[in-house]
Amino acid sequence: KQEVTQIPAALSVPEGENLVLNCSFTDSAIYNLQWFRQDPGKGLTSLLLIQSSQREQTSGRLNASLDKSSGRSTLYIAASQPGDSATYLCAARYTGANSKLTFGKGITLSVRP
Amino acid sequence: KAGVTQTPRYLIKTRGQQVTLSCSPISGHRSVSWYQQTPGQGLQFLFEYFSETQRNKGNFPGRFSGRQFSNSRSEMNVSTLELGDSALYLCASSLNSLLEQFFGPGTRLTVL
Repeated sequence: KQEVTQIPAALSVPEGENLVLNCSFTDSAIYNLQWFRQDPGKGLTSLLLIQSSQREQTSGRLNASLDKSSGRSTLYIAASQPGDSATYLCAARYTGANSKLTFGKGITLSVRP
Repeated sequence: KAGVTQTPRYLIKTRGQQVTLSCSPISGHRSVSWYQQTPGQGLQFLFEYFSETQRNKGNFPGRFSGRQFSNSRSEMNVSTLELGDSALYLCASSLNSLLEQFFGPGTRLTVL
């Protein structure tokens, strides 16, 4: 079964800390992986998309990596700010016919001032 | 460039009623996907449309249906509403289903 796991479910850090959010997937036959941010009661905002042929993508203070052999992706947030507080979800699209995005349950991040 | 829009944003219905939700994708996007988000189950895939054709369907009962119009706008319909259908319904659009997905703000459905 193709699953995506995000542990821990919640994380609290002081402002300014560099942090890593983890995402695990069960099948190395992955087409791409996308990281999203969701604020309470809102839709999802796309942060980064990594294709299976790529190792990492960067956008501002965010860096996402993909390691198919270990079934892991990480989202690195540099110099965290209170405005980074949100739920971060990763979603994998596996190869094969009729592929769909499979989401993890998300990590709720709280950055303390 | 306008983002994905969903209407209505909030909806309150009673059990047994039916509801129709609407999604307008980003201009030029031909793929629209629908998801249900609940605290217990997280985000679950409902269905995906591309150029008016349903390409993929999740594991939801037949009460959940959808369609896509020639202008790529999509609607989903839920008939005979149950309390468990209360959720945030999200749609996402992309140029094609394999590329980056862009989500709308969602429709919050409450079934009483």
